[in-house]
Amino acid sequence: GNSVTQMEGPVTLSEEAFLTINCTYTATGYPSLFWYVQYPGEGLQLLLKATKADDKGSNKGFEATYRKETTSFHLEKGSVQVSDSAVYFCALSESYSWGKLQFGAGTQVVVTP
Amino acid sequence: GAGVSQSPSNKVTEKGKDVELRCDPISGHTALYWYRQSLGQGLEFLIYFQGNSAPDKSGLPSDRFSAERTGGSVSTLTIQRTQQEDSAVYLCASSSPPRTYEQYFGPGTRLTVT
Repeated sequence: GNSVTQMEGPVTLSEEAFLTINCTYTATGYPSLFWYVQYPGEGLQLLLKATKADDKGSNKGFEATYRKETTSFHLEKGSVQVSDSAVYFCALSESYSWGKLQFGAGTQVVVTP
Repeated sequence: GAGVSQSPSNKVTEKGKDVELRCDPISGHTALYWYRQSLGQGLEFLIYFQGNSAPDKSGLPSDRFSAERTGGSVSTLTIQRTQQEDSAVYLCASSSPPRTYEQYFGPGTRLTVT
């Protein structure tokens, strides 16, 4: 079956530091990959996506590259802000499953001033 | 425009009682999903509806859980004979083909079974 594994949190870092959150997956088909974010007190929202190998998704300074050879989709941001404090979820969706998402456990990120 | 709304926002119920959770998707979205977010299990898919097709119920944890979607819009998730392990935040999301992966989530219903 499919699964998504991401690094455990919390990840605590200072403002302007570099952020990496590792995500690896197993899938029977050729999935699309996503990062969703949940800010404190808010609902889940799509951060970025990649639908095929070597695609790079990007949004709000975050980037992630779909690496089929290593089955990974690591999230990176070069200089975090306090407002980036949130829980980040890596997720996949198989093309045949009408967008049904399978999520990783989530990684809490805390950015301090 | 209006986003996905869910009601109630919080529900406390006694073990053994039935509960109904409601989801109003974004107008025009044909796909609707229910997920559950709990401390022990993370975010789990429960069920989804796509247009007039038969729903995919593969994520429902037991036959105490059921859901319906009336008129292709509002959906109700029903949990019968609630158990303490049903305590979780129940999230609803909607989307529209071809970008079915871009799901818009509601704020959730926090269910506490005492």
